[in-house]
Amino acid sequence: DIQMTQSPSTLSASVGDRVTITCRASQSISRWLAWYQQKPGKAPKLLIYDASSLESGVPSGFSGSGSGTEFTLTISSLQPDDFATYYCQQYNSFPWTFGQGTKVEIK
Amino acid sequence: QVTLKESGPALVKPTQTLTLTCTFSGFSLSTFAMRVNWIRQPPGKALEWLARIDWDDDKFYRASLKTRLTISKDTSKNQVVLTMTNMDPVDTATYYCALLKRGVDAFHVWGQGTMVTVSS
Repeated sequence: DIQMTQSPSTLSASVGDRVTITCRASQSISRWLAWYQQKPGKAPKLLIYDASSLESGVPSGFSGSGSGTEFTLTISSLQPDDFATYYCQQYNSFPWTFGQGTKVEIK
Repeated sequence: QVTLKESGPALVKPTQTLTLTCTFSGFSLSTFAMRVNWIRQPPGKALEWLARIDWDDDKFYRASLKTRLTISKDTSKNQVVLTMTNMDPVDTATYYCALLKRGVDAFHVWGQGTMVTVSS
């Protein structure tokens, strides 16, 4: 199985901060990576697919980059609604696997 | 508007078989490129993909759970059913069904999830 490792596990930030989350794959996954946002008690929401394509309806402050084994999710200016847990997911090969999550907390 | 909703027992005993139903609307699973998945999330832990069924009845399973999982569809009822045998307390989780984005293997639309506890 491809292991997905996110860093940091927890991130404390303030409204307006630029935030970057990293996801590393244990082997190359080309650009077959998605990012999700999950709030407590809710299902995940797709933000980014194919490493850098913004899902329809997602604010433009979210962006993704990377290829191969290293990927980043960037929030250009953290908004109150952005405090949540973020997961990366690879779909290069079965079984599709997720990172362990990065919780973005209020500083 | 595409929606999915999971249903099933909230509590099952160890060794029992779990049957979960995903009832959806806004699309047909007989339409080309439609693919429905099951994903679970133990309390406070990460997401784990379990199984997928496609419009053409192709099925895919997480290898480590393959002997315990069966996924099926009833196109006329707009339902996808997941059965998991020999349930164990470690299978306690919220179970989600989710639709893949057409042409992309990313989970585009999710159900609200259903919490299943395995306990005697």
